[in-house]
Amino acid sequence: KNEVEQSPQNLTAQEGEFITINCSYSVGISALHWLQQHPGGGIVSLFMLSSGKKKHGRLIATINIQEKHSSLHITASHPRDSAVYICAVIRGSQGNLIFGKGTKLSVKP
Amino acid sequence: DAGVIQSPRHEVTEMGQEVTLRCKPISGHDYLFWYRQTMMRGLELLIYFNNNVPIDDSGMPEDRFSAKMPNASFSTLKIQPSEPRDSAVYFCASSLTVGNQPQHFGDGTRLSIL
Repeated sequence: KNEVEQSPQNLTAQEGEFITINCSYSVGISALHWLQQHPGGGIVSLFMLSSGKKKHGRLIATINIQEKHSSLHITASHPRDSAVYICAVIRGSQGNLIFGKGTKLSVKP
Repeated sequence: DAGVIQSPRHEVTEMGQEVTLRCKPISGHDYLFWYRQTMMRGLELLIYFNNNVPIDDSGMPEDRFSAKMPNASFSTLKIQPSEPRDSAVYFCASSLTVGNQPQHFGDGTRLSIL
C-alpha cells in the first residue's frame, strides 16, 4: 500500500464547479505539500501545511492530523486550473517528500 | 531570484552512454533534492543533500547512479552506463530548511535513453 493515497485519480469538471481532491497518508508527518504540475511539466508548490487550513485566492487546503487526511479545494474552477495536483508529505524528521500518484484535473469551458 | 536551474532541459542518448544532469539550487538553500518522475512510479526521491553532504541516498536505483554536490551552488546526477529504463524526467529541488519551508523545483530534465 502506498504511504500517500490520492483520490480521485482523474477528475473532469465544468468551469465554475467546486472541486475537491483528497489525500490520505499512513505515516507520521511533519508537513504536507500540495503541488501543481502543468502539462509543460513544471512543478509548483501551492501550499505547505502542518495543521488547520490555508487559503490562496480560489484555492483552499485543509489538513486533519488526527485523521491523517488533507483536502485541496478549488472554488469557481477555470480551464487554467487544468493540471495534475500532487499531494506530498515530509515524514517525521526526514527531509524528502513522499508523493501521491497525483490527480489529473481537467476543467472544461 | 532565478529559481532552481537545471540543465539540460532535454537529453537523448544511446544506451551505454554516460549522462550528466546538472542543478543549481536557489542561493542560500541548505537542502537539495533529486527526484525522478516516470509514468509507472510517479515522483520518487533519488537522493538529498544537506549543506552539500548526502543525507539519504536510499532511492538511488543502483550503482550506475551517482550524485555529487561539490559546493553549495552546484550538484550533478550521473548515470553510467545509461539504460532505456532510466528514461524519465529528473527534477532537482531545493529548500531553506525542511519541515516548515516549501521545496522549489527546477523545470526538470527529460531524459530519453534509446
